[in-house]
This record gives sequence, structure tokens and C-alpha cells, in this order.
Amino acid sequence: SQQGEEDPQALSIQEGENATMNCSYKTSINNLQWYRQNSGRGLVHLILIRSNEREKHSGRLRVTLDTSKKSSSLLITASRAADTASYFCATDTRNTPLVFGKGTRLSVIA
Amino acid sequence: DGGITQSPKYLFRKEGQNVTLSCEQNLNHDAMYWYRQDPGQGLRLIYYSQIVNDFQKGDIAEGYSVSREKKESFPLTVTSAQKNPTAFYLCASSTREGMVYFGPGTRLTVT
Repeated sequence: SQQGEEDPQALSIQEGENATMNCSYKTSINNLQWYRQNSGRGLVHLILIRSNEREKHSGRLRVTLDTSKKSSSLLITASRAADTASYFCATDTRNTPLVFGKGTRLSVIA
Repeated sequence: DGGITQSPKYLFRKEGQNVTLSCEQNLNHDAMYWYRQDPGQGLRLIYYSQIVNDFQKGDIAEGYSVSREKKESFPLTVTSAQKNPTAFYLCASSTREGMVYFGPGTRLTVT
């Protein structure tokens, strides 16, 4: 089944810096979503970008989608210690459940 | 964690016993899902249901069973046939537009 693959697997930055995570997938998609997971908790939806969109913003989050390269990026600007979490991309096609990648573990050091 | 509840948060069972994980949602979503997460890994789909009284196997359905008798409820049974049941189990539901909402998860430990 198709799967998003996040890169890097782990990322450590200083508070105030920007964090960029990338996601690649294998087949055509209906939409791509980014989720955040704090340790031992459920996933929280961050942003959804449709296949006909190229960029989307939500607060300090910026997501881009390049369907020709089958890739997406999540940028978190001016990171805070509270942004420390795992971030997952997930893809779906019409009428199929979301398929998740293995995630990027982000550590923001105060 | 939205309007999805999972209970209990931690569950301990002896090997060979079946165990049922509860998932309830009050979001009026038609579709519901069960995912399994192992340490440092992504989520793998166990079962999903797009409507009451119907469900489909996901990528790792062996050793699991589900039922969907009510729109609000989608319980997952981990049977003794599941070889490595210890994991973090996440239930979710989704809107028609495809946005997925997750419950807080149940951590199952089988010894």
C-alpha cells in the first residue's frame, strides 16, 4: 500500500529556529495531511492539503505540496519547546483510509 | 483528542486471553478506524468501518476482530491468535472530507 515517508527521522533544533520536515509518497493522492503526536498520546490533526493545492498556512505552520515530485514539506517557524513531538504525514486516495509514515521526531531545546 | 474516547488507557493481560478495547465517538462520523503503533514506528491500519454493520480489513488484521453495531461504537478484540499484541492502539473517526480525529489511545501489555 502507498505510504508517506518522512525525512529526517529525527531533528533537534534550538528554540526560535525553524524546523523543516519532508514527506515523500509513492502514488497519486487525493489529499495529504500532517499530524502531531506528543509522547504516549493520540494524534492531533495539523493541516490538510488537497492534491490541487500547492501551499497552505496555519499559524506558524506552512505546508507545501509538489505532486510532480510526490513530496510535501512541513515548516514550523520560530519553534518553541512545546513543539517537541513526533510529526507524521498521511496520504489517502478516494475512499481509502489514511496511510501513515513513520514520523519525524522533533526536539526543540530551550 | 476530540469527541473520541478510548478505555482503558492502560490494559494488562496474560498471554492466551482475548481482550476487547473500547472506542466511542460522539462526532456523528460514519467512518471509524483502528490503528496499531509500535515504539518509534508509524501507524498501521488494523480494521476500518465506513458505515454501520460494515467493516474492512486493513494491512494487519490477522489476530484481531471488530464489530460495528452502532455508529458511535467500534470495539476491537485482540485475540490469542495475535502473536505480538503488546502495542499502543489508536482509534479514530473521520469526516466526509477526510479529516481524521484520534482518540487518546490504549496501551496494551500482554505478558
